Amino acid sequence: GAGVSQSPSNKVTEKGKDVELRCDPISGHTALYWYRQSLGQGLEFLIYFQGNSAPDKSGLPSDRFSAERTGGSVSTLTIQRTQQEDSAVYLCASSQDGYNSPLHFGNGTRLTVT
Amino acid sequence: AQSVSQHNHHVILSEAASLELGCNYSYGGTVNLFWYVQYPGQHLQLLLKYFSGDPLVKGIKGFEAEFIKSKFSFNLRKPSVQWSDTAEYFCAVSGGYGNKLVFGAGTILRVKS
Repeated sequence: GAGVSQSPSNKVTEKGKDVELRCDPISGHTALYWYRQSLGQGLEFLIYFQGNSAPDKSGLPSDRFSAERTGGSVSTLTIQRTQQEDSAVYLCASSQDGYNSPLHFGNGTRLTVT
Repeated sequence: AQSVSQHNHHVILSEAASLELGCNYSYGGTVNLFWYVQYPGQHLQLLLKYFSGDPLVKGIKGFEAEFIKSKFSFNLRKPSVQWSDTAEYFCAVSGGYGNKLVFGAGTILRVKS
């Protein structure tokens, strides 16, 4: 079946521009996560959705970062006024219930801020 | 706050060598523990998980991990590695429902054929 789909796969943007990253989770999965993967930094937690609500936004690095999830499905991560340190791979994952079930990861969006 | 520490960032082994990757976590309550793997060019996938019961859990491809509560550890082991085990391995911990899944920094394993 279809897995987690992220778009775009690659994004190059100029410093100061806004970007939107999209995640289509597996159908029926109630939990959705955003992580950031930088070289040598592992996976940095950004935000977690259960349905449309976000019980944990603690990982968002600054107020330039925001995310929403509509209809309990698609999620968008928005980065305003991008900085060079925002360059990373942004990973989305979904799980059936956000508790016992494993995370299914997308292939990520590689963001490069020039 | 939860945190996960993986002791080695890079490990190089020859085929048939035994593997043990260290993972220690910091969290005061009941935990769910995971190992994920990312093969070159592929997305992250679950290797094995521990929720409760037998502290020795077996996963795919001959991997196993042992939960030692007193040491806050969840080390990953494989008796004999293969070239195809070359990948990056991530330990992760969650405090349960509604809790985020926190990952360690990852260990890059290279197996020489």
